[in-house]
Amino acid sequence: SQQGEEDPQALSIQEGENATMNCSYKTSINNLQWYRQNSGRGLVHLILIRSNEREKHSGRLRVTLDTSKKSSSLLITASRAADTASYFCATDWPSNTGKLIFGQGTTLQVKP
Amino acid sequence: GAGVSQSPSNKVTEKGKDVELRCDPISGHTALYWYRQSLGQGLEFLIYFQGNSAPDKSGLPSDRFSAERTGGSVSTLTIQRTQQEDSAVYLCASSLGGQYNEQFFGPGTRLTVL
Repeated sequence: SQQGEEDPQALSIQEGENATMNCSYKTSINNLQWYRQNSGRGLVHLILIRSNEREKHSGRLRVTLDTSKKSSSLLITASRAADTASYFCATDWPSNTGKLIFGQGTTLQVKP
Repeated sequence: GAGVSQSPSNKVTEKGKDVELRCDPISGHTALYWYRQSLGQGLEFLIYFQGNSAPDKSGLPSDRFSAERTGGSVSTLTIQRTQQEDSAVYLCASSLGGQYNEQFFGPGTRLTVL
């Protein structure tokens, strides 16, 4: 069954603006991760946030986690055309295997 | 160092044929994962290896799908008697294992079943 669901499905912004993507999930988790995918191929890991963390930063990325609402958000500040990609949240299945359950993704277009 | 590699990058086959997809993980990564991504969809977990054993095969969609890993390294995903619904990008990832390690993904194999 689907674990993570992202919102919005698609987002189009101008270069320099901020982009916010949201992710909701259903079960308890150990961690939540965000990945970026260009051109429908390999994924690149962006950031991992543990269940006991509320906020994490990495460069222009800010991730928040609200375990009471079972939701997370990814904020990209000062977006660039190169940020155009699909973004996926993934939660670990509570089996300690590291197996990830992915959401459907948000397609971000940053216009120059 | 070298990342995760997969071969072939593209595979076109006829319905009913068998296909083998290969994954070379990052050296030293004990955990290996196979995922499938259909057009415009998120990733669907297929199978997980820890070393050469597969403690979680829960995502394999049917008994036509099987996978093995040898020497704690290379893995092969085999699809027998392919069907059109098997068409997807098959992605392999490896990690140091456990639930707090990021997974490094290969570029994927795009499988098209005619």
